[in-house]
Order: sequence, then structure tokens, then C-alpha cells
Amino acid sequence: GAGVSQSPRYKVAKRGQDVALRCDPISGHVSLFWYQQALGQGPEFLTYFQNEAQLDKSGLPSDRFFAERPEGSVSTLKIQRTQQEDSAVYLCASSPDNPQGAFGYTFGSGTRLTVV
Amino acid sequence: GDSVTQMEGPVTLSEEAFLTINCTYTATGYPSLFWYVQYPGEGLQLLLKATKADDKGSNKGFEATYRKETTSFHLEKGSVQVSDSAVYFCAVYGSGNTGKLIFGQGTTLQVKP
Repeated sequence: GAGVSQSPRYKVAKRGQDVALRCDPISGHVSLFWYQQALGQGPEFLTYFQNEAQLDKSGLPSDRFFAERPEGSVSTLKIQRTQQEDSAVYLCASSPDNPQGAFGYTFGSGTRLTVV
Repeated sequence: GDSVTQMEGPVTLSEEAFLTINCTYTATGYPSLFWYVQYPGEGLQLLLKATKADDKGSNKGFEATYRKETTSFHLEKGSVQVSDSAVYFCAVYGSGNTGKLIFGQGTTLQVKP
């Protein structure tokens, strides 16, 4: 597609519920990132994929967070047993090249997760 | 560890005023530097970038110069417009060669007519 597409745009989850957030990167983009943006803050890195390989998951805040990209295109971020502190905007970004490329990334519009 | 510090906002200016948003970073080596902008209700967009010392990135009238000696990448615009009202984020590639971006906390710019 023309841009990075994320769905759903908004998600309200009851505390303890599992959620799955989807990211469709730009076709052919090698690198895919997930970021978490709390209200009034800058995005914080969660995890990075190069094609289907998850090369860095150092930013995942707990073992309740899990991400996958099984065929090297669409990615899913799953959060189990959601907590109120998980409320944030989850951003996906993709890039056509390998790490440290000069292009920067194209970000999706994000999924706003609210845990009640 | 790697970090980015931006001046706190909000910054409120009148149309046609001069804009400076300060950004300093801590990182090893010579990382690429970026400014992203987030307009109300929209996603992050790349505004400009610089990949090596003394490079000047520019776009839409905005400029920023990569200053290695002061580890800074201040954003400037000579004459702001109401349409520039947005949140601006400075970012640097983190160490470890995974390409992850380290963002500042963002600076809100409000331009009044």
C-alpha cells in the first residue's frame, strides 16, 4: 500500500483482556519497528524485525508483550492480560533498508489502546 | 545510555516569528539525526534529517545543523505559519546497530495568527 496501515485505530480493553494490534508495512520494506507512545511523551522503542527475524526485543516492557512477523510482511503486537499502564498509542514504522539507513522510517497513524 | 533532550514546551509564537527548538543528544559514534513532526490527529512524519557532522537538513523552510562538537541538532524556521502548529520530536539512532530511534519528549508549537 501507499503507507503503513495499522488496525484497529482505537481499542478499548477491559483490564485482564488480551489484545492484538496489526501493522501492514509498506510493501517490500525490510525493517519493521513497534513503538509505544504514552500521552505527552515521545515514542519509546519496543521491538525490531528485519524481514521475519525479530532482532531486538529489548524494549518490550514485560513478558505480557509479544510481537511476530511470520512472513516478513504483516506484524502483530499482542498484549496479554492488559493493565492500565498499557494504555498508550502503539506505533508501527517500516523502512526499506537495513538498520541505520539514512531514510528514516515511515510511521503508521497508530493504535490508541485504552485499558479500563 | 543513548538519550535525547528537547526544550520543554509549549512554545507559543505569533505568525511570522522566528522559531528555535533546542535538541541535544547523547550517543556513541556518529549517529544520524532526525526531526519528526506530528500534526493534530495524524501520525509521525519525517521532517528532516542529517547523517554526518556539519550536515544541514532542510525541508518546508525548517533547518537543523548536525553539531558534533556540541552534540546538538536545533530546529529553526525563519517565519512560522499557523499551519506549523504541531508537536516536534528530535530523534537519534540508538547504539547497537538495530536502527531503533531514540526520541525526545516532544515540543508542542502553537502559532497564533
